[in-house]
Parts: sequence; C-alpha cells; structure tokens
Amino acid sequence: DGGITQSPKYLFRKEGQNVTLSCEQNLNHDAMYWYRQDPGQGLRLIYYSQIVNDFQKGDIAEGYSVSREKKESFPLTVTSAQKNPTAFYLCASSIGRYTQYFGPGTRLTVL
Amino acid sequence: DQQVKQNSPSLSVQEGRISILNCDYTNSMFDYFLWYKKYPAEGPTFLISISSIKDKNEDGRFTVFLNKSAKHLSLHIVPSQPGDSAVYFCAASALSGTASKLTFGTGTRLQVTL
Repeated sequence: DGGITQSPKYLFRKEGQNVTLSCEQNLNHDAMYWYRQDPGQGLRLIYYSQIVNDFQKGDIAEGYSVSREKKESFPLTVTSAQKNPTAFYLCASSIGRYTQYFGPGTRLTVL
Repeated sequence: DQQVKQNSPSLSVQEGRISILNCDYTNSMFDYFLWYKKYPAEGPTFLISISSIKDKNEDGRFTVFLNKSAKHLSLHIVPSQPGDSAVYFCAASALSGTASKLTFGTGTRLQVTL
C-alpha cells in the first residue's frame, strides 16, 4: 500500500523539551512538506523540501527544524524555542509542483 | 494578510441538493488551485484541482469553477450526500522551484442533512 505515514498519532511533551515527529512516504515523491493546523484556522506551511539534503523555510519556520537525509523521510523537530507548539501537524508529499497528498497527522500537546 | 479566504465558516444543505463552497484569493501569482476535504483529526484528502488556464474542471459530482478576473473560485457538489459532511479547504499554489507552496483558506464546514 503506497502512502504517507506519520507517527505517533498523539504526542505529549513537557515544556522545554524538544520532540521529533516522524513522516515517511513510499510514493517515490520528490517533494515533502510540513504544515501546522490550529483550531479554526487553515493549514500553515512550516518547512518544505524539494530533494534530498535540501529544504526551505515556509511561513512559520521559527522554533522548528527538519532534515531530509533520505527521499522517503522528512522528520520535523519541534524545539523548545517554539512558543506555542500545541497543534495538529500534517506532513504531505508531491510529485513536483502539483497535488500534495497528506498523511494522517500528529496531534502534539504541550503539558 | 490572508491571501486565501473562505468567508463562510459553515454551510448546511439538504441531501440531493447542490452545495456551493466559495473561495477568494488576492495574490495574482497563484496559478493552481485545489480543494481538499477534511475530517476531524485526519489529514486532508485531495478532491479536485484547476489550473489558472482553465475556468472549469469536473470530476463526477464535483466541479470547480475559476473566475480569474474576480479572483474567485467555487466548488459545486451535485447531488450532495450525507458522506460529504466535512470541512472543505480551498488552497492556492505558487510555484517555488520544483515544489509548490500551498496557501490554505480557513475552511468551510459542510453539513448535509437528510
């Protein structure tokens, strides 16, 4: 089954801790993306990557970091510098510039 | 500065009738538009898209219309079914290298009633 997986589905973190969200895809897509959704809002782009070992900041990159060491994987680290990390995080991938396909999401809650 | 706007937070439609969801944008650099359907605590599911060189695209019960001069697009669902009840997001794409940066609206919650 081809698709995008995100783990874990729910994640709890204490204030001041870094946490890494996993995103894996077996669609052979070149581009991968991370979005954040807050209640009553649309999705906002955090980071995106067009190819392995390359990534660019999106609209709200502060307090986040990413890596792209393999085509299939694009993990997102939420650092302690992120002021309001509680949100629903969505990973997506695409072939080139067209339709993005999303994973099931990870809900992060800071305690 | 919200570049993609969905001004109706919610819409209720009877089963079998037409649902019309609207979206406005301000950035003339957007050249590709998409609609996604989303259930709570799940990832968005792609529905339909349209390139700026077209004014209409149809896929089964779903049709998207684009009016470039008005910077407006709409999604028509005919006939509406109870399973269509979800939040619908409009998204606009501007090319950035070989990837696309999507800008999303805030969503419209569609409720299809029996």
